Amino acid sequence: GAVVSQHPSRVICKSGTSVKIECRSLDFQATTMFWYRQFPKQSLMLMATSNEGSKATYEQGVEKDKFLINHASLTLSTLTVTSAHPEDSSFYICSANQASGGSQFFGPGTRLTVL
Amino acid sequence: GDSVTQMEGPVTLSEEAFLTINCTYTATGYPSLFWYVQYPGEGLQLLLKATKADDKGSNKGFEATYRKETTSFHLEKGSVQVSDSAVYFCALSGRNSGNTPLVFGKGTRLSVIA
Repeated sequence: GAVVSQHPSRVICKSGTSVKIECRSLDFQATTMFWYRQFPKQSLMLMATSNEGSKATYEQGVEKDKFLINHASLTLSTLTVTSAHPEDSSFYICSANQASGGSQFFGPGTRLTVL
Repeated sequence: GDSVTQMEGPVTLSEEAFLTINCTYTATGYPSLFWYVQYPGEGLQLLLKATKADDKGSNKGFEATYRKETTSFHLEKGSVQVSDSAVYFCALSGRNSGNTPLVFGKGTRLSVIA
């Protein structure tokens, strides 16, 4: 099946710094990518929808100025957590929509820990 | 809005036991339904899906039937293995998950002991 990668897989940063997470579709073009957040022992919550060449659509309650999303190409979307705080510590997962097949494929996730 | 409810875990079974993880949903229209599995330290993998009523999705011995009358999509496996230990998520999409995000249940952790 299609492969989606995320980098880094794990990051620890100091409070106030910014962290960039990359999501790549390795063997297909993704017109749409989704960013989810997963708290410990909880489900995935959609943060935003990232469309190639246009602005991301954020879910209610998600600060667009804090979670910057850029979908620069059909194979790459980035999520930047700006001025991170400890409450931003979470597992961030992206998924990519395969343009031709319509299925979603998930990345392995990035665990962010903000000290 | 759309929502998914699945049974609380954790579920602990002995090897070769029968597995059922219940999942019910609330949605407008005719959603597509999915089961995803997350193995320790890994991302989500699609286990099976069904796109219309009475469809049965199956994979790796797991199966689930889309029941519109009961708005359910219960996951079953006749004989579990230790390697099936993981977290299982039921999810729905308003369309065939083309450009719409998924709505997930809270996940059910399964532990299979030898």
